[in-house]
Amino acid sequence: DTGVSQDPRHKITKRGQNVTFRCDPISEHNRLYWYRQTLGQGPEFLTYFQNEAQLEKSRLLSDRFSAERPKGSFSTLEIQRTEQGDSAMYLCASRQRGTDTQYFGPGTRLTVL
Amino acid sequence: AQSVTQLDSHVSVSEGTPVLLRCNYSSSYSPSLFWYVQHPNKGLQLLLKYTSAATLVKGINGFEAEFKKSETSFHLTKPSAHMSDAAEYFCVVSKPGGGADGLTFGKGTHLIIQP
Repeated sequence: DTGVSQDPRHKITKRGQNVTFRCDPISEHNRLYWYRQTLGQGPEFLTYFQNEAQLEKSRLLSDRFSAERPKGSFSTLEIQRTEQGDSAMYLCASRQRGTDTQYFGPGTRLTVL
Repeated sequence: AQSVTQLDSHVSVSEGTPVLLRCNYSSSYSPSLFWYVQHPNKGLQLLLKYTSAATLVKGINGFEAEFKKSETSFHLTKPSAHMSDAAEYFCVVSKPGGGADGLTFGKGTHLIIQP
């Protein structure tokens, strides 16, 4: 399978716990994006990487959120001290340099109890 | 700044009849425009994209969209709906070349296919 993969697909946690999600992009894609999608809404941009550099962060990305892409391949998104409002689908996408098309993974659905 | 408005939150059609999903955009430059589809519990799949070439764009599964700059619209159509088309559809705008801030999504249109 050469598509974007995300792990885990589902995560249930208690308020106040930390969670970490992983995204593996398509191998030749140098740009990687994170989005958040809440129920009934379209995805909203969170942040993006070009290789290992994090180039843009949305105001939606509070201090409790941190993303990394240490070797320019896979990326992790960590949420510290989760809140019920963090419950959402977290989507990852990747794009090849010079193209317009982002390819999306299946998402990680987070439920904070 | 850029934005997208999907004019209908829900559209219901009978199987075999035409589909029209409406989208208007706002952008301060010549945008790239996309339609993505999301089936339940599945990731987003690209249907088609417009990137300043032909204004009538053909996509997968018989869908097509027409870019109309004068109307700032990018409506999605299909001549004959199939039950498998039932899904959430998103109109998306991007800066040409991908942009530094990712894609801007509309709120989505839920397409219901009646048997």
